[in-house]
Amino acid sequence: DTAVSQTPKYLVTQMGNDKSIKCEQNLGHDTMYWYKQDSKKFLKIMFSYNNKELIINETVPNRFSPKSPDKAHLNLHINSLELGDSAVYFCASSQAGSNYGYTFGSGTRLTVV
Amino acid sequence: GESVGLHLPTLSVQEGDNSIINCAYSNSASDYFIWYKQESGKGPQFIIDIRSNMDKRQGQRVTVLLNKTVKHLSLQIAATQPGDSAVYFCAEPGPVGGKLIFGQGTELSVKP
Repeated sequence: DTAVSQTPKYLVTQMGNDKSIKCEQNLGHDTMYWYKQDSKKFLKIMFSYNNKELIINETVPNRFSPKSPDKAHLNLHINSLELGDSAVYFCASSQAGSNYGYTFGSGTRLTVV
Repeated sequence: GESVGLHLPTLSVQEGDNSIINCAYSNSASDYFIWYKQESGKGPQFIIDIRSNMDKRQGQRVTVLLNKTVKHLSLQIAATQPGDSAVYFCAEPGPVGGKLIFGQGTELSVKP
């Protein structure tokens, strides 16, 4: 009964490959997010979706393409992976008007070699 | 801004001591702040929040203090336990779409 679940937890891949990370939430929240955490633990928003509609696209390279088939899912597809994409990617969800009570997933550690 | 070139601040305390983790913010119009705890291998988890019309808010073993004059907030953990070892972030809402802007984070280590 995990609230926000991401798969896979670990992803090791070669430069130039295309990969996807999936996220699902069972909290009934209407907003979902992708955050990137670098090696110094800095957390930065990438995207947010509200009811399947893109709300925030925070100057992320267009190699990153989020897709939200419904409000419970927000997937992240990354084309032509680069070494600098190595990071931990967190999915999160919240309900609009809920005082920013985010629930985060446990993260996907992406390593590009 | 980005934390490139900066080291993650660390705080080491003895078990049973009190811990104080600090955070500075720059926008004097900020009216809401949140503290998150991130344990190793997990996502950040909400601890406590505070609105700008308050100076202090207490939870279970945690207290957040807000000093609007110097744009500073702190998280105090009483009787720190090994399970408190984690990275702690302050965060505030951004201007658009429910996003959170996270501070740099402080790594708390508790020595037994």
